[in-house]
Amino acid sequence: QKEVEQNSGPLSVPEGAIASLNCTYSDRGSQSFFWYRQYSGKSPELIMSIYSNGDKEDGRFTAQLNKASQYVSLLIRDSQPSDSATYLCAVYLNTGTASKLTFGTGTRLQVTL
Amino acid sequence: DAGITQSPRHKVTETGTPVTLRCHQTENHRYMYWYRQDPGHGLRLIHYSYGVKDTDKGEVSDGYSVSRSKTEDFLLTLESATSSQTSVYFCAISESVPNYGYTFGSGTRLTVV
Repeated sequence: QKEVEQNSGPLSVPEGAIASLNCTYSDRGSQSFFWYRQYSGKSPELIMSIYSNGDKEDGRFTAQLNKASQYVSLLIRDSQPSDSATYLCAVYLNTGTASKLTFGTGTRLQVTL
Repeated sequence: DAGITQSPRHKVTETGTPVTLRCHQTENHRYMYWYRQDPGHGLRLIHYSYGVKDTDKGEVSDGYSVSRSKTEDFLLTLESATSSQTSVYFCAISESVPNYGYTFGSGTRLTVV
């Protein structure tokens, strides 16, 4: 089982719709969760972080965390063509020896006109 | 990519030659990382550093070495480049991984012919 799993997509949504991106993780001790956006040919850019159960909103983005289900999601409201990118989920687990993130392989989002 | 610079941005090299990639930061962050990104594999950790002269291996470290003699510089060396090392290489930095995640550099596209 992969440590962080995402559906590779592509996820296609029409402009103005809500895009829902999902991520599951295997280790119950995971502490911090991050969403990165990566445009084609560019580097990943941090867009959201979440640390406790529930929702966290920032503009059109909402991150949702459910530790009991080991599930984190990213909702993008009023999706725009400029949101078309690959979204990477990253998870931090304190192993006591290394401070690093584990990444999913990403979900490609396509926002259609 | 304020505060983090990778060089070179693009490089073509021949099989068997040594190659060094440089990551330079101006943020005085403790943690630095080298990842490679390949289609279907996502981001894979090569090596990381948690301080000057303190480095450790990641999941795909074979054929790579690193050095960090100053806080601001983290060098990745391919000791004898192979075609399987053709990839996009990203450097990342962090002040506190669980709290802030990473900031990525712009990446180096390396082609080994």
